[in-house]
Amino acid sequence: QTVVTQEPSFSVSPGGTVTLTCGLSSGSVSTNYYPSWYQQTPGQAPRTLIYSTNTRSSGVPDRFSGSILGNKAALTITGAQADDESDYYCVLYMGSGISVFGGGTKLAVL
Amino acid sequence: EVQLVESGGGLVQPGGSLRLSCAASGFTVSSNYMSWVRQAPGKGLEWVSIIYIGGSTYYADSVKGRFTISRDNSKNTLHLQMNSLRAEDTAVYYCARAYRSCGGTCYAYYFDYWGQGTLVTVSS
Repeated sequence: QTVVTQEPSFSVSPGGTVTLTCGLSSGSVSTNYYPSWYQQTPGQAPRTLIYSTNTRSSGVPDRFSGSILGNKAALTITGAQADDESDYYCVLYMGSGISVFGGGTKLAVL
Repeated sequence: EVQLVESGGGLVQPGGSLRLSCAASGFTVSSNYMSWVRQAPGKGLEWVSIIYIGGSTYYADSVKGRFTISRDNSKNTLHLQMNSLRAEDTAVYYCARAYRSCGGTCYAYYFDYWGQGTLVTVSS
C-alpha cells in the first residue's frame, strides 16, 4: 500500500516563507504523479491551490507556488499571511484511476 | 457559475445502506470526470471513487465492493450508493469535479470544484 507523506505540522512567521512537502513511502515523486495541492480551513470544503505540479488554480495568489524538490512535490508559500493558517493536502495520481491524499499538514502562522 | 450540492447523508446502522446525491449546475456531469472524497471527523481527506466520462469507475480499496458511483445524466446528478456500511465509513462526503490534467493515454486529474459536503454517521 503506497503512502503519501506530509509533515504533520509546520509553523511560519507572518511575512515568512515556508515549503511543505509531499513524498512517497517508497519511491520518488515526479511530475508523472501530477501532484495537486488543496487548502482547507475547519468546517469548510477544500480549496484547490495548485495542479499538475506547478499550475495555480484560478484566483490563487502568486505567493503560492508548486514544484518538485528532490524526490518530493513541494508547496511554497512566500509572504505568509494570517489567513494562510490552514490544513494543506497534497494528492498524487497513482494511475488506473486511483488518487491518494497525503495525511495533510497543519500550518500555523505565528 | 459551477455549483455542487450534496444530499442524502444521515445516521445509519452498521451494515445498512445509504445513497448520496450531488446535484451539479453550471456544467454537465456526463462531460466531466466526477469524484467523491471523504473526511472522517478530525481526520484528513481520503479519495473514495471516480467516474470517467466514458463511464469507467474506480474505487479506493477501503470501499471497493461496497460502494458504487454512478450518474444520472437526465438530472445532471452524481450518486454514491453505499452498502454494508461500517463505523469507519463515518465522514463528511464531498462531491468534486475532477478535471483531466493531461491528454492522450494519460487520465490523471485534479479536483477543481468542491461541494460543501454531507455528513454520514454509521452507528448503532
